[in-house]
Amino acid sequence: GAVVSQHPSRVICKSGTSVKIECRSLDFQATTMFWYRQFPKKSLMLMATSNEGSKATYEQGVEKDKFLINHASLTLSTLTVTSAHPEDSSFYICSARVQKAINYGYTFGSGTRLTVV
Amino acid sequence: QQQVKQSPQSLIVQKGGISIINCAYENTAFDYFPWYQQFPGKGPALLIAIRPDVSEKKEGRFTISFNKSAKQFSLHIMDSQPGDSATYFCAASSYGGSQGNLIFGKGTKLSVKP
Repeated sequence: GAVVSQHPSRVICKSGTSVKIECRSLDFQATTMFWYRQFPKKSLMLMATSNEGSKATYEQGVEKDKFLINHASLTLSTLTVTSAHPEDSSFYICSARVQKAINYGYTFGSGTRLTVV
Repeated sequence: QQQVKQSPQSLIVQKGGISIINCAYENTAFDYFPWYQQFPGKGPALLIAIRPDVSEKKEGRFTISFNKSAKQFSLHIMDSQPGDSATYFCAASSYGGSQGNLIFGKGTKLSVKP
């Protein structure tokens, strides 16, 4: 139980275009979704926290106009990288806090490898 | 105060040996301490987690030791296997807090030699 499905797993886009990453909670309601970014051989860095039906909270240094987060329902949160540039190439991972589960905690998506060329 | 410090950065262990990874934290509001295993190109997968009301938790070959007074916790992997070769992250959160996000350590790359 408590599975988060993240798509796409890999995406290559041209510089200047936008890319949307989706995370769906399959068997629970994700009231809170966290979005992380991970550079090669580095740790996960929190980008933003989204709560269903409200505006996302962005960490310091993360451009909210560039990384648009929408959490319109309890089962879907999206991250859109707008006007992507090569420096946005990274591994993006979503995570949901599981409110009611036997093994409560956090469940992670499988990640999206974004390459901007 | 939000940092979680993890060591070592890398670790090489012989098959059958014990792998030990350590983490330390400062924020006494943290109340959830998980360990994650990550393979290249994959998202982190929960290995084991502990709350501050217990000093040790064991699940199979994986054990968390928790020292609340020292604000330290560690992961022990017994009988390490080549398949355990991965990057391990400790993390901490104030689970019931308004933010509740996980703070990750910098990771430990474990290599288990056959």
